Amino acid sequence: DAGVTQSPTHLIKTRGQHVTLRCSPISGHKSVSWYQQVLGQGPQFIFQYYEKEERGRGNFPDRFSARQFPNYSSELNVNALLLGDSALYLCARGQGPNNEQFFGPGTRLTVL
Amino acid sequence: QQQVKQSPQSLIVQKGGISIINCAYENTAFDYFPWYQQFPGKGPALLIAIRPDVSEKKEGRFTISFNKSAKQFSLHIMDSQPGDSATYFCAASERGSGNTGKLIFGQGTTLQVKP
Repeated sequence: DAGVTQSPTHLIKTRGQHVTLRCSPISGHKSVSWYQQVLGQGPQFIFQYYEKEERGRGNFPDRFSARQFPNYSSELNVNALLLGDSALYLCARGQGPNNEQFFGPGTRLTVL
Repeated sequence: QQQVKQSPQSLIVQKGGISIINCAYENTAFDYFPWYQQFPGKGPALLIAIRPDVSEKKEGRFTISFNKSAKQFSLHIMDSQPGDSATYFCAASERGSGNTGKLIFGQGTTLQVKP
């Protein structure tokens, strides 16, 4: 158990719609990162948040946004969905001096 | 310069054999190199990691070898078992100031261990 829960497990949307994905690290863990993993590829970094502040952003369009709440849970929002947004969206918590990333099970998003 | 190149794309090994996966990087600022194991439908699980101040790290059947001058690192799985069949990803990050933990992943290697 990586100490990260994500919801929902699976999601099907149509092009142009909006989606919100949720992530909760175990209690007390303040660092949350989001990654996109397209089928057959390695995960790609989208965002990192620490104590509710954005600390890093990957090379993704402005349709992608995120926020972190006072309890350190996080939401990833994607607007105007495209077919190419179909992927496994992973949330990770950071831990230790190397900020080791521990990944949750992911949310499988399918855009039709 | 931010890329991490991983090879081979796929690997078939007999039970009890040694599985070897290689990665290469360009960015000399990278200073943390983890390996992840991912089973279908699951998130990646941290397997083992190394920092460039050591040339080798071993945990059980898993060993990372690190060659700083060549900017290469590899994962060796000794006595490979059918349960090791999964996709393996190498990654790299630049801990530095800010320490976002942003990982740059390789393309992945699908390992099949035959009984």
